[in-house]
Amino acid sequence: RKEVEQDPGPFNVPEGATVAFNCTYSNSASQSFFWYRQDCRKEPKLLMSVYSSGNEDGRFTAQLNRASQYISLLIRDSKLSDSATYLCVVHYSSYKLIFGSGTRLLVRP
Amino acid sequence: EPEVTQTPSHQVTQMGQEVILRCVPISNHLYFYWYRQILGQKVEFLVSFYNNEISEKSEIFDDQFSVERPDGSNFTLKIRSTKLEDSAMYFCASRSTDTQYFGPGTRLTVL
Repeated sequence: RKEVEQDPGPFNVPEGATVAFNCTYSNSASQSFFWYRQDCRKEPKLLMSVYSSGNEDGRFTAQLNRASQYISLLIRDSKLSDSATYLCVVHYSSYKLIFGSGTRLLVRP
Repeated sequence: EPEVTQTPSHQVTQMGQEVILRCVPISNHLYFYWYRQILGQKVEFLVSFYNNEISEKSEIFDDQFSVERPDGSNFTLKIRSTKLEDSAMYFCASRSTDTQYFGPGTRLTVL
């Protein structure tokens, strides 16, 4: 079983749509969780950390369900500039980051 | 805003040659990392480095790889004898608290 699993997509949505991505992780000892964004051939950039209580940053909302080992990201009012690959990332006590393969989002006009 | 820098942006080399990839982490960070991403695949952890020694390494990081912090600012990844399958983007990262910040990467092409 993969350590971090994501639906690769692509998710093709119109501007203004709401889109949700899911991710599951296999190691219950995982300590911290993140969503990174990666544009084509660029470095991963931190989008947001994910907390058990859920957290929101503008149009982005992240949720964590430790019991189900499940993480989600919701993007509201999609913009063309949101087109990218969204990486689900977990880390264990060593602070080594384990990346999912990413979910590709295409926002069309 | 401070950022991680990497040089060169693109390195082309012949199979069997040695390459050194360079990184300048964010200045007050203490933990340093190398990751790689083969085209079309996920980002993979290679090695972490703290207090002038390797704290963890992956199975990918075999005897052909080494890391060094030769001075107070640079952090390098050396591949002694490159193979075709070493062709990838190599990302350096550094962290101070919880968040790792990534450099723009070096694209390594092995011919």
